[in-house]
Amino acid sequence: EPEVTQTPSHQVTQMGQEVILRCVPISNHLYFYWYRQILGQKVEFLVSFYNNEISEKSEIFDDQFSVERPDGSNFTLKIRSTKLEDSAMYFCASKDESSYNEQFFGPGTRLTVL
Amino acid sequence: DQQVKQNSPSLSVQEGRISILNCDYTNSMFDYFLWYKKYPAEGPTFLISISSIKDKNEDGRFTVFLNKSAKHLSLHIVPSQPGDSAVYFCAGGSGSARQLTFGSGTQLTVLP
Repeated sequence: EPEVTQTPSHQVTQMGQEVILRCVPISNHLYFYWYRQILGQKVEFLVSFYNNEISEKSEIFDDQFSVERPDGSNFTLKIRSTKLEDSAMYFCASKDESSYNEQFFGPGTRLTVL
Repeated sequence: DQQVKQNSPSLSVQEGRISILNCDYTNSMFDYFLWYKKYPAEGPTFLISISSIKDKNEDGRFTVFLNKSAKHLSLHIVPSQPGDSAVYFCAGGSGSARQLTFGSGTQLTVLP
């Protein structure tokens, strides 16, 4: 069964460093998303991406964040200068055009900022 | 911002019995709702969804009920199995392909 994959599974970085989290969405999906879950809190929406552009973003997704689809398979989230409060699980999700609403999630990347 | 609320952080049920997980919402613009299951160290797994124009959707052991007037939905699992033990999230959305707003989750434990 096709699935969303994410790498790395765990990323440790120093505050102020740049990180890139990578996702490979399901191959025929056209809508891509990033969510995050801070420990003990809700899963929160960050950004959605369709047709090579951002379609929605939340207040969390400020100038320190960017997304890119550099090729036909990868979808990346970059955090330019990480802060301690960026420590969280980051989930990538994707959706196809035929399904109205189901988003399929990857296993997540645990980001730890020291 | 508490657009989607799951007021019970945990629920324990005996194997074979019914599990009922509840969710309340405040955003009248939601036009569909989804339930996801999540195991530790994994991403949320889609279980079942319901459109706001329906009041029930069933898929095998899982049934979701929607009461729009009360802004309440529930997930019924019958019969419950030990493998169902996980955190269950409800989520609301409005418009196709748009963001999902999640509740805080309910930890379901099915006891053998």
